[in-house]
Order: sequence, then C-alpha cells, then structure tokens
Amino acid sequence: SAVISQKPSRDICQRGTSLTIQCQVDSQVTMMFWYRQQPGQSLTLIATANQGSEATYESGFVIDKFPISRPNLTFSTLTVSNMSPEDSSIYLCSTPGTDYNEQFFGPGTRLTVL
Amino acid sequence: QKEVEQNSGPLSVPEGAIASLNCTYSDRGSQSFFWYRQYSGKSPELIMFIYSNGDKEDGRFTAQLNKASQYVSLLIRDSQPSDSATYLCAVNIEYGNKLVFGAGTILRVKS
Repeated sequence: SAVISQKPSRDICQRGTSLTIQCQVDSQVTMMFWYRQQPGQSLTLIATANQGSEATYESGFVIDKFPISRPNLTFSTLTVSNMSPEDSSIYLCSTPGTDYNEQFFGPGTRLTVL
Repeated sequence: QKEVEQNSGPLSVPEGAIASLNCTYSDRGSQSFFWYRQYSGKSPELIMFIYSNGDKEDGRFTAQLNKASQYVSLLIRDSQPSDSATYLCAVNIEYGNKLVFGAGTILRVKS
C-alpha cells in the first residue's frame, strides 16, 4: 500500500478561521478521498478529490465550506473554512491500494475549534 | 440512505477466546466489504476485505459474508489484549472506492 502522510497532525483553531490540511502520497494514485470522524463517531466521506477537475462532494458537504485541491496525482488539500466548534473532528485522507477496492488511510489531522 | 449497522458494544471477551463481531448493510448492490481496526487516537487500519459469499481466513482473523442475509462478520481467534480496539465495518457502495462505515464495535479483551 502507498504511504500516506498528513499535515498538520493536530491543530487548535479559533472560531471563524480556516485551516488547510495537506495529504501527501508516496506514489501516484488516481483517486484520493477525504473523510471526517467526529468525536465518538464513525467515518463519513466528505468528498472525492479528482485530479484536474473539481472535487465531488457527498450529501451534506459543500465546496464553500470544504474546498479541495488536487494539483497532481500525489497531493491534495482540504480546507475547513469559517470554522465552528462543530467542525472539531479528525480529518483523514485515503487512497486505494494495489487491489483497487482496498482503501488505506493517512494518520489523520485532529482539529479542535474553540 | 445506504446504511451499515454494528452493535456498538463494548464486547468483552477473555484472553484466548473467540471474538465475534457482526455487521449488517442495507444496499443489496454492495460488492465489497471491509473490516478496519482503530486504536484510540489512531487512524483506521485495514484488517481484511471480502467479496464472495463464505469465509475468508487470514491468520487469527476470519471474515464471513452472506449476501442473501446482507450480513458480514469478523471472527478473531485466540483474542489478545492487543486486539482491544474499535472495529469498523465498511461497505463499498459503488465502484470507485466510496465506503460507508458502521459506527464501530468496541472490543475489550481481558487478560
């Protein structure tokens, strides 16, 4: 499986600010995904980061709140905009493995919004 | 709404016993099923995946799939305290790796 890294690993932010999370993969991958895990909850897919086109968002998530970039096949960013305490979560990026249906996760970014 | 259901637990088993974790899913079109293990403060780690009806074994882990009953399970033999974690069931809802996760089952293995 690819090695996935994320920056920052954690951050504490003030209400109303924005944070950009980076996801780096050590090999080229066609698809990258962003998930959110709220405290005590399971993972929810935010969007699919498409290289060369706009991200595809899941129901309940919008581009204005979670803009995503995918400039190349190894890198993506997720921005959490105009943050509120409800955005406090772990944000994870993921990519498929060699078997296309497998999916592996980065270490996550733990965000706390005060 | 495509759903994946798991008993939240906690499921407590003694060391050396078999732990049985269960999961049901709502979308009959689902083709791929995954079990992830998540330790507190860590990201999910893929344990096993299964596509076909029946059993799939990997070391101490066995995944079981019954598509007719829309049921998938994970058996952990010879449970160890290090197996104590949250186990997440995930279902691939369409080609393209989109996963829907269950809420997870907390497993506690007592020594």
